Amino acid sequence: GNSVTQMEGPVTLSEEAFLTINCTYTATGYPSLFWYVQYPGEGLQLLLKATKADDKGSNKGFEATYRKETTSFHLEKGSVQVSDSAVYFCALSDQNSNSGYALNFGKGTSLLVTP
Amino acid sequence: NAGVTQTPKFQVLKTGQSMTLQCAQDMNHNSMYWYRQDPGMGLRLIYYSASEGTTDKGEVPNGYNVSRLNKREFSLRLESAAPSQTSVYFCASSELQGAWTGELFFGEGSRLTVL
Repeated sequence: GNSVTQMEGPVTLSEEAFLTINCTYTATGYPSLFWYVQYPGEGLQLLLKATKADDKGSNKGFEATYRKETTSFHLEKGSVQVSDSAVYFCALSDQNSNSGYALNFGKGTSLLVTP
Repeated sequence: NAGVTQTPKFQVLKTGQSMTLQCAQDMNHNSMYWYRQDPGMGLRLIYYSASEGTTDKGEVPNGYNVSRLNKREFSLRLESAAPSQTSVYFCASSELQGAWTGELFFGEGSRLTVL
């Protein structure tokens, strides 16, 4: 079945450092790919998405490119801030699935940015 | 903007007790979902409701029941709670079909402890 594997954390970075969180997927068909972010004490919220190969999703300085050849969707940010400290989840959805369009989530990567 | 509202936010139960987690959304979405979040496991789908009047099992349905009361409300019931059901539960909703964006909207979560 469809699944997502993302790098384990926690990841600790200094403010203004470059961030990469790796995500690879296994899927049949042509899934859409997502990054969700969970701030402490809150629910998940969509950070960015890409719906087809070579699409680049971007939001709040974060970017991820849908790479079909490497089945990857790595999250990057050029200069992280303390406020980016959160847990990041990679997810996929197959629009043709029979699961009500539920998303399959990775295990999450905790990011801590220190001043 | 209420979005997705879950109650209660916190609950402590003894083994064998029953309880219902309530979820309501005000975005007129067709699909609703219940996930549980456990350390190192990410989010796992318990049940979903693709549309009003339908419910289906997700990845980890054992020990749970659901009711899609109407388009707005989707409840999760634990009939006989077990310590393994200690978790944070998230309700989510999304639109389907022609308006599908792949985005799930999450509630703030319900932290359940079973002693």
